[in-house]
Amino acid sequence: GQNIDQPTEMTATEGAIVQINCTYQTSGFNGLFWYQQHAGEAPTFLSYNVLDGLEEKGRFSSFLSRSKGYSYLLLKELQMKDSASYLCAVVDSNYQLIWGAGTKLIIKP
Amino acid sequence: IAGITQAPTSQILAAGRRMTLRCTQDMRHNAMYWYRQDLGLGLRLIHYSNTAGTTGKGEVPDGYSVSRANTDDFPLTLASAVPSQTSVYFCASSDSGVGGAFNEQFFGPGTRLTVL
Repeated sequence: GQNIDQPTEMTATEGAIVQINCTYQTSGFNGLFWYQQHAGEAPTFLSYNVLDGLEEKGRFSSFLSRSKGYSYLLLKELQMKDSASYLCAVVDSNYQLIWGAGTKLIIKP
Repeated sequence: IAGITQAPTSQILAAGRRMTLRCTQDMRHNAMYWYRQDLGLGLRLIHYSNTAGTTGKGEVPDGYSVSRANTDDFPLTLASAVPSQTSVYFCASSDSGVGGAFNEQFFGPGTRLTVL
């Protein structure tokens, strides 16, 4: 079966750095997405990785290792508005998106 | 209209009733999707459409139907609602990428449906 694993919940302090991990086992791989979802709102796109390595975009970076079936989202200089759920999703061999359950990130002052 | 819209925002429905959730996008995206999101579970694909006139089944299609008469609209119908269909429903759209590349999906604001 296809499986995406993420921690259910994480807590971090304002101004700090947090790394949210995602491991996957899917039938084929055509890329990995990270989305942010604030409570009661729609998911919004953060990043897309299809090649191994680190993609940096402002305070957010995303890393991919295809051989390990592993990705992480790194958030720097955390702000209170970063409190949200972070969703990992993998594009499988049929070009369908397989979604993880999401990681709820709580930022404390 | 800017982006992707859904209606209604929320609805309480008696079991056995028929219900259509509406979704409209103005980005001229070829592909559209319907997901349901339940607590503790990831987004699950119900149905999708790669282009106007075509539809396909996702992971959890039973009890739902869709149509894609034109590029902009992608309604989702529950023929006879059951309590297990209580969920938040998101419509999404994406552009077709070059060479089959998979582009990001843009999501509507969601419809919160309660079936009693």
